[in-house]
Amino acid sequence: NAGVTQTPKFRILKIGQSMTLQCTQDMNHNYMYWYRQDPGMGLKLIYYSVGAGITDKGEVPNGYNVSRSTTEDFPLRLELAAPSQTSVYFCASSSTGELFFGEGSRLTVL
Amino acid sequence: AQSVAQPEDQVNVAEGNPLTVKCTYSVSGNPYLFWYVQYPNRGLQFLLKYITGDNLVKGSYGFEAEFNKSQTSFHLKKPSALVSDSALYFCALYNNNDMRFGAGTRLTVKP
Repeated sequence: NAGVTQTPKFRILKIGQSMTLQCTQDMNHNYMYWYRQDPGMGLKLIYYSVGAGITDKGEVPNGYNVSRSTTEDFPLRLELAAPSQTSVYFCASSSTGELFFGEGSRLTVL
Repeated sequence: AQSVAQPEDQVNVAEGNPLTVKCTYSVSGNPYLFWYVQYPNRGLQFLLKYITGDNLVKGSYGFEAEFNKSQTSFHLKKPSALVSDSALYFCALYNNNDMRFGAGTRLTVKP
């Protein structure tokens, strides 16, 4: 059972580039989340989804977009990368409140 | 608005001693509270949760947490700390599809 799988694990971007962080879960969970983790700041919610076709903004959505075309997949897109988006990104899924996390994607924007 | 706070950035304990990692919360309505642990370069792992019922909740790896409604707290505890418990611990509050995390407390258990 793979759980929540994130790719890539590491990425370096130049300012202004775009990219998509992929997230897939195989637990048939309706709820999926994207968080970013900055040192000493805990986790901040970027976007979440309560089911296929439904997404909503979290605390820090600016500069990001998401889609949820299937139950399994919840990609996070950065359109114009900025240094402030340097962070570790975690995808998570849930069915009963308890979150299952991926291993994280470390993104550096130079 | 809901929020969760972890007042200590760092907690140091000696192996074999009891440990407490503090968490306080603010929410309108009944709280759903969680503790997660994060080891280096890994995602967060679920430890335990409080939804309703007994105020003392038991979780993984010998951890437990005490829900105190009057003090709006949900402190994580373990009777006897292990060196392998050293990690980053997060308290979280779930309400209306939104899981909010505290800033984290780094627990160091020294031999």
